[in-house]
Amino acid sequence: NAGVTQTPKFQVLKTGQSMTLQCAQDMNHNSMYWYRQDPGMGLRLIYYSASEGTTDKGEVPNGYNVSRLNKREFSLRLESAAPSQTSVYFCASSRTGGDGYTFGSGTRLTVV
Amino acid sequence: EDKVVQSPLSLVVHEGDTVTLNCSYEVTNFRSLLWYKQEKKAPTFLFMLTSSGIEKKSGRLSSILDKKELFSILNITATQTGDSAVYLCAGKGGGSSNTGKLIFGQGTTLQVKP
Repeated sequence: NAGVTQTPKFQVLKTGQSMTLQCAQDMNHNSMYWYRQDPGMGLRLIYYSASEGTTDKGEVPNGYNVSRLNKREFSLRLESAAPSQTSVYFCASSRTGGDGYTFGSGTRLTVV
Repeated sequence: EDKVVQSPLSLVVHEGDTVTLNCSYEVTNFRSLLWYKQEKKAPTFLFMLTSSGIEKKSGRLSSILDKKELFSILNITATQTGDSAVYLCAGKGGGSSNTGKLIFGQGTTLQVKP
């Protein structure tokens, strides 16, 4: 089915390990986003990419890096995972300036 | 700083009750207000509101925006157990960048008991 695909769905990391969360969309959307969701905090924007070749920080970018590999793919990297990064991560995409997002199914990350 | 605040944070009702969820926002160059429903996984889109005073309706759910007072409400009538979910409100600003990024509230967790 068309949409936003995130991998992996679950991951457990040890403190200090690194990993990359992958996200791909097949809707020809220009804009892509990474959010994290913690209990009682709603969704907080980590990084976004308004178009291919551009990335910008959101509300909570510290400890993360992103790469907009091409129009379809937008990855999120944790260089040295910390327990505070335990969260559910959502990738989303939209048309340029579009109001509605299409979300991926999420990645549940636990850092021990 | 842009922010979106939802209330209440959690709510427990019985089937058949009517509930009202609140969302206030402060978003630079406000453009639209969106409501999402989140069950186990990703949020799913409910409504997008751009004009003040115009109600959007879908079945038992309805929503309205007040751009003067900077808030929106989501009403659910004749609640069912399937309405149990987290309801998220999000504001979008405009401006020259027009990046499309949404600012989300904390969410309201609704539990509907049989």
